[in-house]
Amino acid sequence: QVQLQESGPGLVKPSQTLSLTCTVSGGSISSGSYYWSWIRQPAGKGLEWIGRIYTSGSTNYNPSLKSRVTISVDTSKNQFSLKLSSVTAADTAVYYCARDNYSSSWYVHDYWGQGTLVTVSS
Amino acid sequence: DIQMTQSPSSLSASVGDRVTITCQASQDISNYLNWYQQKPGKAPKLLIYDASNLETGVPSRFSGSGSGTDFTFTISSLQPEDIATYYCQQYDNLGLTFGGGTKVEIK
Repeated sequence: QVQLQESGPGLVKPSQTLSLTCTVSGGSISSGSYYWSWIRQPAGKGLEWIGRIYTSGSTNYNPSLKSRVTISVDTSKNQFSLKLSSVTAADTAVYYCARDNYSSSWYVHDYWGQGTLVTVSS
Repeated sequence: DIQMTQSPSSLSASVGDRVTITCQASQDISNYLNWYQQKPGKAPKLLIYDASNLETGVPSRFSGSGSGTDFTFTISSLQPEDIATYYCQQYDNLGLTFGGGTKVEIK
């Protein structure tokens, strides 16, 4: 059973960089053909896809966040990471990591982490 | 960017009622649409993929239909455990977009 666990600071100051790591257990991050995504959800609001990385290292980002987002993968640690720069209070949210499974006709987030709350405040 | 418009944003229904949620894409997305259920404090759970395919283990009272730009999600007989927020999501080769969500409550 694949499990994902987000980790990182719960409090980030405005204008600084938010950094989170997702540790994958129950399977190798580099085995199979999967994407690995970050998704966030402000309190009481909807879900927003941030971006994804393939095991090869290729990435796609939400155009609205692209200038501030970097997603990377460390296969030796079975982890992938999110960096979001120049944060403001609007970046306060629960951040989820997820595994993306796909075929020629479908694409799903089939495993999710439990989520971690990041608050942007001085 | 493809925008997803989901409606209603909330609804209240009685146990046993048929519940319908719609999702409209800003352009043709073929069948590339998923539906997720999210309960308070939990991560979303996949219910329907490729517009109409039921994920393994999901009760058959949940169903999805549609293609192109207009999609429908249905709970045939609402149960107390179905209280949650439901999201549609489109996917293409550039990325993914969620609808705004529909909060389902018991009347």
